[in-house]
Amino acid sequence: EAGVVQSPRYKIIEKKQPVAFWCNPISGHNTLYWYRQNLGQGPELLIRYENEEAVDDSQLPKDRFSAERLKGVDSTLKIQPAELGDSAVYLCASSRGSGGYNEQFFGPGTRLTVL
Amino acid sequence: AQSVTQLDSQVPVFEEAPVELRCNYSSSVSVYLFWYVQYPNQGLQLLLKYLSGSTLVESINGFEAEFNKSQTSFHLRKPSVHISDTAEYFCAVSDSNSGYALNFGKGTSLLVTP
Repeated sequence: EAGVVQSPRYKIIEKKQPVAFWCNPISGHNTLYWYRQNLGQGPELLIRYENEEAVDDSQLPKDRFSAERLKGVDSTLKIQPAELGDSAVYLCASSRGSGGYNEQFFGPGTRLTVL
Repeated sequence: AQSVTQLDSQVPVFEEAPVELRCNYSSSVSVYLFWYVQYPNQGLQLLLKYLSGSTLVESINGFEAEFNKSQTSFHLRKPSVHISDTAEYFCAVSDSNSGYALNFGKGTSLLVTP
């Protein structure tokens, strides 16, 4: 079974540029999460999807961040424009459902560096 | 609101020595508890979890953790560590209030040396 796929693995951009990250969850997983992991910190939830619906985006900075999960499968997270403080690893995770019994599987992450 | 505290940011230990990585949490409702491991240049992997039942949970590679409700703790232990256990370890909690999204601690870097 393939794991969670993310691309690109690394991205370097200048501030004020746009950037997008892509995630393909494990087949059959209805719940998809985007987390941000700052250097030396644990991951922090940005947004959670149940199928194509964003059910928790309270931590997503909506002035510059947007996300979509068309057709309830793969997802894209976008930042426009990027700021220096957005440098972090962006992690995607998926699970069969959102209940606490459902294990979340994480992708390798996209390491973003904003210059 | 829930929170997770990992009391040690770095834990150096010699090979074959025992180790304990500490984790405390706070929540107003029943929780699920997890330990994730992140090896260098790799993604997060679930090490073990407490959902219900026995308060002592074990992983396949010799780690164990005990849920202590009165102490609100979920410390991770291993009686004898290997060089290959060198990694970043994250404690996480989820509950119904958060929609079962994981709330992570800041992580503990375990460094095992010969």
